[in-house]
Amino acid sequence: DIQMTQSPSSLSASVGDRVTITCRASQIISTSLNWYQQKPGKAPKVLIYTASTLQSGVPLRFSGSGSGTDFTLTISSLQPEDFATYYCQQTYSTPPAFGQGTRVEIK
Amino acid sequence: EVQLVQSGAEVKKPGESLRISCKGAGYSFTSYWITWVRQMPGKGLEWMGRIDPTDSHTNYGPSFQGHVTLSADKSISTAYLQWSSLKASDTAMYYCARRTAGTKFYDYWGQGTLVTVSS
Repeated sequence: DIQMTQSPSSLSASVGDRVTITCRASQIISTSLNWYQQKPGKAPKVLIYTASTLQSGVPLRFSGSGSGTDFTLTISSLQPEDFATYYCQQTYSTPPAFGQGTRVEIK
Repeated sequence: EVQLVQSGAEVKKPGESLRISCKGAGYSFTSYWITWVRQMPGKGLEWMGRIDPTDSHTNYGPSFQGHVTLSADKSISTAYLQWSSLKASDTAMYYCARRTAGTKFYDYWGQGTLVTVSS
């Protein structure tokens, strides 16, 4: 099974900061990578699919990049509503594992 | 409007059985697979398995194979997750989600069902 490893596990940032979260797959997954945002007490919400495609309605400050085994989610200018936990997920093979999550907290 | 509506919170004792549900509305239920995701308290997302409502074909995650059963009744646009014998370690929030066909992401999620297993 493919394992997904995110880093960091948590980070503290200020409004307006540029934030980068990385996700590494244990084997090549092409661009079969999604990013989700989850706020406390809520279901996850997709931000990015196939590594770099922004889901409809998601603000342009979110972007995704990468292919193969290494991927990045970038928030260009962190907003108050972006404080949440972010998960990557590979969809290259079954089971489509999630990363362990990255919690973005207010500095 | 597309919706996935899950059944309400449950409190059960170890050894009891349970079935929770996820009802789709606002779309063709048989056109999208339904996935179940577990989130234990304070922890991350775990993929449990998925079901194709058309023919009830299922795939299970290795940690869940043999411990849970996925089913679906397309006549009432409802998917189910069931346990025959609950354990305290099954205490978690359970989400159902709809998977898009080509791009393989979950575009709609249920609100979650909290299952608490305690003696």
